[in-house]
Amino acid sequence: KAGVTQTPRYLIKTRGQQVTLSCSPISGHRSVSWYQQTPGQGLQFLFEYFSETQRNKGNFPGRFSGRQFSNSRSEMNVSTLELGDSALYLCASSLAGTREGYTFGSGTRLTVV
Amino acid sequence: AQSVTQPDIHITVSEGASLELRCNYSYGATPYLFWYVQSPGQGLQLLLKYFSGDTLVQGIKGFEAEFKRSQSSFNLRKPSVHWSDAAEYFCAVGATGGGNKLTFGTGTQLKVEL
Repeated sequence: KAGVTQTPRYLIKTRGQQVTLSCSPISGHRSVSWYQQTPGQGLQFLFEYFSETQRNKGNFPGRFSGRQFSNSRSEMNVSTLELGDSALYLCASSLAGTREGYTFGSGTRLTVV
Repeated sequence: AQSVTQPDIHITVSEGASLELRCNYSYGATPYLFWYVQSPGQGLQLLLKYFSGDTLVQGIKGFEAEFKRSQSSFNLRKPSVHWSDAAEYFCAVGATGGGNKLTFGTGTQLKVEL
């Protein structure tokens, strides 16, 4: 079956702009999580959605937001981009949550210039 | 709050040699534990997971991990490393009481010498 699909794979944005990243989970998976990966901070949890509701949120500023649609697809948005937002953004899906384990997508590489 | 420590940033082993990657966690109860592998420019692939029961867990690609509650450890092992195992390995902990998030260690970069 198809894995977790993230689009686009690469993105270059200018400081101050906003960006929207998309994630299509594995069919049947209702939990979608987002992580930011940087060389300095490693892998950090952004937020998790289940059945269109945000269940958990990491320690990121309000510029980072997300949503989940009724078909479980998810988007995350970053407004007023800063140079420090340059990172690999990873989406992960699960049937219902942590116990089932998460399958990760290949990520979106965001570069802010 | 949960946390994970991977004390080795880089490890180099010869092909065919055995491998052990260390992982220590901090959590108030028995957590969910995971090992993931990441190749350059790629996402994370799940190697194995521990929830309960048998403390020795078998995973994909010939990897195994042992949960030791007394040492708060979940070390990853492989008896014979292949050159294709060169990658970065991440240990992660998930809370059993909810929260639905993973806390990752800083990763161990594995280099395999031919």
